[in-house]
Amino acid sequence: SQTIHQWPATLVQPVGSPLSLECTVEGTSNPNLYWYRQAAGRGLQLLFYSVGIGQISSEVPQNLSASRPQDRQFILSSKKLLLSDSGFYLCAWSRGSTSGEQYFGPGTRLTVT
Amino acid sequence: AQKITQTQPGMFVQEKEAVTLDCTYDTSDPSYGLFWYKQPSSGEMIFLIYQGSYDQQNATEGRYSLNFQKARKSANLVISASQLGDSAMYFCAMREGFGSGNTGKLIFGQGTTLQVKP
Repeated sequence: SQTIHQWPATLVQPVGSPLSLECTVEGTSNPNLYWYRQAAGRGLQLLFYSVGIGQISSEVPQNLSASRPQDRQFILSSKKLLLSDSGFYLCAWSRGSTSGEQYFGPGTRLTVT
Repeated sequence: AQKITQTQPGMFVQEKEAVTLDCTYDTSDPSYGLFWYKQPSSGEMIFLIYQGSYDQQNATEGRYSLNFQKARKSANLVISASQLGDSAMYFCAMREGFGSGNTGKLIFGQGTTLQVKP
């Protein structure tokens, strides 16, 4: 069976500090990978998606970047965090050739102080 | 442009009763998929049910069913026999196109908070 992991689960970082959130998927190969951000009580905003190693598409211009160094690894980064980067970050995967339901990781709650 | 609208910010339902959560969508693509997700207080998004635009019958998964009305562009979620554990936020989502090479991007609605009363 497939599983998706995210870490850390929670993170408190000062403004201006760097960020690295990691997501890994097990039990499948060549998944589509996604990073979302969710503000409190709101819907999900797609930040980045990837259909293969080294292939990253950005949906919203912002202070963040993403990388996919391995087939089942997706990393969200920032060089200098802003207060507005606070939120709940969710990683998801899907099979590219099927109906496309996405399966989500447990998420990371980021607070920028 | 594709859009998902959930007009009910919050809903209450009595335990063991059925409840309908509304979702309308807008797209110009004839091929699309519609999804419902549940987000409990823990934050994890749980996939519930899927409906393809060409599916002839409404999707069902256990106590969940999707009332798909293509002409009205609505995809309401029906939860039968509500349980206390159904209390959560529910999101409707849409994907345009499908098949090999599709990016699978989903557009989410703003969600509906459901509270089940004992």
